[in-house]
Amino acid sequence: ETGVTQTPRHLVMGMTNKKSLKCEQHLGHNAMYWYKQSAKKPLELMFVYSLEERVENNSVPSRFSPECPNSSHLFLHLHTLQPEDSALYLCASSRRFGTGGTGELFFGEGSRLTVL
Amino acid sequence: RKEVEQDPGPFNVPEGATVAFNCTYSNSASQSFFWYRQDCRKEPKLLMSVYSSGNEDGRFTAQLNRASQYISLLIRDSKLSDSATYLCVVTSGNTGKLIFGQGTTLQVKP
Repeated sequence: ETGVTQTPRHLVMGMTNKKSLKCEQHLGHNAMYWYKQSAKKPLELMFVYSLEERVENNSVPSRFSPECPNSSHLFLHLHTLQPEDSALYLCASSRRFGTGGTGELFFGEGSRLTVL
Repeated sequence: RKEVEQDPGPFNVPEGATVAFNCTYSNSASQSFFWYRQDCRKEPKLLMSVYSSGNEDGRFTAQLNRASQYISLLIRDSKLSDSATYLCVVTSGNTGKLIFGQGTTLQVKP
């Protein structure tokens, strides 16, 4: 059983819908991440939160809006997405962000998003 | 140039074979290096860290060549259960941010 839980596991939405992805970690970690994984492409880091503060925003379009209400929860709010946004969205956590970390990310099983 | 480059494969090998994966990285300031494993339709998981002196974990051996900015993973006596995608991961300069390669797919056949 993973220490990082993502819901929903699958989501189909139209381009005008608004939906949210949820991530919860039960590991007591201080950093949480959203990654995007598309076919034949490397994992792309989208956002990083460290101690509930956003510390990384990798030029992600504003139609993706993250929220970190506390150190255990992370959301990704989605609105007016495009078909090319269809991908696997992976949440991860780590003990800390930045230098000195062990490099171990604990991933959730992902939310597979299809935009019609 | 991609920050982390891997041969995507797939590598198709028979059980018991030895297989090696290579990875190059572009940022000479990268400090830490890792191999992750991702099974089909599963999340990535840390396989092993890569140390300057090289390190071994059972059938798996990781090597780092800082001068050539090159990392390798050697798997000996391949098992069917080794079939997966192996992701090379490096830190981006000295920020600690992890950059993933595209991954190399291994298929071990009976």
